[in-house]
Amino acid sequence: AQRVTQPEKLLSVFKGAPVELKCNYSYSGSPELFWYVQYSRQRLQLLLRHISRESIKGFTADLNKGETSFHLKKPFAQEEDSAMYYCALGAGTASKLTFGTGTRLQVTL
Amino acid sequence: NAGVTQTPKFQVLKTGQSMTLQCAQDMNHEYMSWYRQDPGMGLRLIHYSVGAGITDQGEVPNGYNVSRSTTEDFPLRLLSAAPSQTSVYFCAIKGVAGGAGELFFGEGSRLTVL
Repeated sequence: AQRVTQPEKLLSVFKGAPVELKCNYSYSGSPELFWYVQYSRQRLQLLLRHISRESIKGFTADLNKGETSFHLKKPFAQEEDSAMYYCALGAGTASKLTFGTGTRLQVTL
Repeated sequence: NAGVTQTPKFQVLKTGQSMTLQCAQDMNHEYMSWYRQDPGMGLRLIHYSVGAGITDQGEVPNGYNVSRSTTEDFPLRLLSAAPSQTSVYFCAIKGVAGGAGELFFGEGSRLTVL
């Protein structure tokens, strides 16, 4: 069975500070990892996926199979980054995503 | 192009009542799914469908029924509502039934069961 763990319910950082949202997964096969974001009063939307190895809105995430982690990072937090972030694991066909419990990022001045 | 449309946005039910949450898409996507979002629990998959006429259970299917008679629609039925079904429900679709792909979410339907 697959599992996604996001240990922090709330992460509060100052504007300009580095951000790291933690995500660990449990899956015996080859995983596909995603980060989804939900801004206030908006739909949940894809932020980035590990296979793309891209940077979106300054965020990056590297899949570390040894540590079974997919932490989301940004060097300098902005106010507009305040949102709910969900890490998600796709197993097998990746159609059925397993989501973590989410971390609320709060960026303050 | 609305993408994914969910109705109603808000609903209050009494225990034992039944209702249907509607999900409609205009993107011609194969894969459609229903999640519920609860505080501290994240999003949990209820049911999903990889195409018209095909449905399957997710992580928390009990108390819910689905059907997929067309590509566009994937309604979620609560047969006899219980307070434990108070939640925010999201419909999500994907272009292909398998493989990595972006899930497009609806705006959510907030359900309260008294």
